[in-house]
Amino acid sequence: DSGVTQTPKHLITATGQRVTLRCSPRSGDLSVYWYQQSLDQGLQFLIQYYNGEERAKGNILERFSAQQFPDLHSELNLSSLELGDSALYFCASSVGEAGGTETQYFGPGTRLLVL
Amino acid sequence: AQKVTQAQTEISVVEKEDVTLDCVYETRDTTYYLFWYKQPPSGELVFLIRRNSFDEQNEISGRYSWNFQKSTSSFNFTITASQVVDSAVYFCALDSWGKLQFGAGTQVVVTP
Repeated sequence: DSGVTQTPKHLITATGQRVTLRCSPRSGDLSVYWYQQSLDQGLQFLIQYYNGEERAKGNILERFSAQQFPDLHSELNLSSLELGDSALYFCASSVGEAGGTETQYFGPGTRLLVL
Repeated sequence: AQKVTQAQTEISVVEKEDVTLDCVYETRDTTYYLFWYKQPPSGELVFLIRRNSFDEQNEISGRYSWNFQKSTSSFNFTITASQVVDSAVYFCALDSWGKLQFGAGTQVVVTP
């Protein structure tokens, strides 16, 4: 158990809908990262937040947005969902801002299925 | 641009055999970090090791060992005396400034 929690574990929804994925980092960690794992794209970095501020952006679609709240939990919002958004979404956390100098610990993931 | 290549898609071994997973990376950064993660069938990503670009010492942890060679941009991972519980997908990743760039992963299947 990494100490990172993600809810829900599974999510089934329809095209065009909007969903919110939630992540709580390990105790003491200030950075939260979001990744998408799909069959065709593999594991891809989406976005990083550090202590409430956006720090780095990867291949995140404009239909997707994220935020980190004062209690450090984070939410990833996915809107206007398409079939291709079906994937496993991971949240990871690390202590500081520069992930490279530290280890990112991953949550169990949220499996999203868009029908 | 950064890139991580795991050329082996799947490796099948019989229990107690050794298995080596290859990882080749590309980066222009002089300071970078390399990682290995394990993804068992249950789906979570489990951290195995982190290595920085200035530390080329090989590392051993139980049945796991890692060989980092900067000259060939490789960070290979060996499982000695494999067990069925080692069956998983193993990812090599490169980190520069917080963004983990993952390889495609290598599926290891260990049969009794």
